[in-house]
Amino acid sequence: DTEVTQTPKHLVMGMTNKKSLKCEQHMGHRAMYWYKQKAKKPPELMFVYSYEKLSINESVPSRFSPECPNSSLLNLHLHALQPEDSALYLCASSQDRGQGETQYFGPGTRLLVL
Amino acid sequence: GENVEQHPSTLSVQEGDSAVIKCTYSDSASNYFPWYKQELGKRPQLIIDIRSNVGEKKDQRIAVTLNKTAKHFSLHITETQPEDSAVYFCAALPGAGGTSYGKLTFGQGTILTVHP
Repeated sequence: DTEVTQTPKHLVMGMTNKKSLKCEQHMGHRAMYWYKQKAKKPPELMFVYSYEKLSINESVPSRFSPECPNSSLLNLHLHALQPEDSALYLCASSQDRGQGETQYFGPGTRLLVL
Repeated sequence: GENVEQHPSTLSVQEGDSAVIKCTYSDSASNYFPWYKQELGKRPQLIIDIRSNVGEKKDQRIAVTLNKTAKHFSLHITETQPEDSAVYFCAALPGAGGTSYGKLTFGQGTILTVHP
């Protein structure tokens, strides 16, 4: 099973709201990732967790707060977002963060900030 | 950090023709090069990948070649079909020793359209 699941599929939120995106994998992968993707652009890396520890933060604004409660789950907490944060948020996982590890993507959460 | 350039940005072919997409990378520490296909509204799906110790890999109608010396790699699709129409992204992953270790860097994407 090479499936990564994400909820919700769609999310509309106001700039004062707090919401969370969830990601889950049961492949035993030890690295998990959050990406942001704008229309017709490649995915942009936001965060990398390796063995449940944050190992890369690509200078993401603090209104995005990642959390890795256990090796299967990854959350992205959203607070005080801006309209320009509207995008597809993709979660991915790989066996390890190491060399030559294939990343498998979830279906994404399409976020609209009003 | 790693920088990946991808060309062309759009590619239009007739069904049955071949399609070639080319990418160059900058970080000599990159050792893994996946290709993803993304259909409209869907997730990126891995279609083929190649590691730095291999020069060419083929899977049915899809092949990838890698030239480490020149730092470029290419995707070849033969006998294209309308269902091959999608956005294709190349990517490079630096291994240990690179400043971007573990960070997958994508090219800008190629919109492939296969006309019936």
